[in-house]
Amino acid sequence: AQSVTQLGSHVSVSEGALVLLRCNYSSSVPPYLFWYVQYPNQGLQLLLKYTSAATLVKGINGFEAEFKKSETSFHLTKPSAHMSDAAEYFCAVSDIRDDKIIFGKGTRLHILP
Amino acid sequence: DVKVTQSSRYLVKRTGEKVFLECVQDMDHENMFWYRQDPGLGLRLIYFSYDVKMKEKGDIPEGYSVSREKKERFSLILESASTNQTSMYLCASSSNYGYTFGSGTRLTVV
Repeated sequence: AQSVTQLGSHVSVSEGALVLLRCNYSSSVPPYLFWYVQYPNQGLQLLLKYTSAATLVKGINGFEAEFKKSETSFHLTKPSAHMSDAAEYFCAVSDIRDDKIIFGKGTRLHILP
Repeated sequence: DVKVTQSSRYLVKRTGEKVFLECVQDMDHENMFWYRQDPGLGLRLIYFSYDVKMKEKGDIPEGYSVSREKKERFSLILESASTNQTSMYLCASSSNYGYTFGSGTRLTVV
């Protein structure tokens, strides 16, 4: 069975600092991997996805993530945090055989002024 | 702009009521999904559907059923609402891993 573990339910960074949100996955087949963002009182929005092409994936709003098979990781980064990045972030995994996505428990990102 | 529309943003229902949560998409997607979202638990898959009149159980189907009579509409049904079903419910549709989510329905069962 596939699963996703997000390390840290809350992460705080200062405005302008590096954002690093950690995600490790478990999958018996080559995975598709995703990061979603949820702003307050809204649905989820896709930030980026990995579907077995380039291992470094660039997404919207300056975010990127790197697929590392040896570490079973797909960490999300952004070089410089902005106040508008404050939200909840979800890592998710799916396998190539179906369109069903399994989500992690989420990491709430707080930006300190 | 493509959309997934959930009919209600907030709902308050009484224990034992039959509750319908409606979801409509305008993207001609084959696949539709219902998740519930709870603090600290993330999103958990309740039911999904890959085609009209087709449904499959997700990870937490107990206490729920679904209906998909038309391609664009996927309904989640709580046959007899209970307080432990108080939650945020999110609908999504997808085509080739392009998931689009609705804004969610926050259901409170009292």
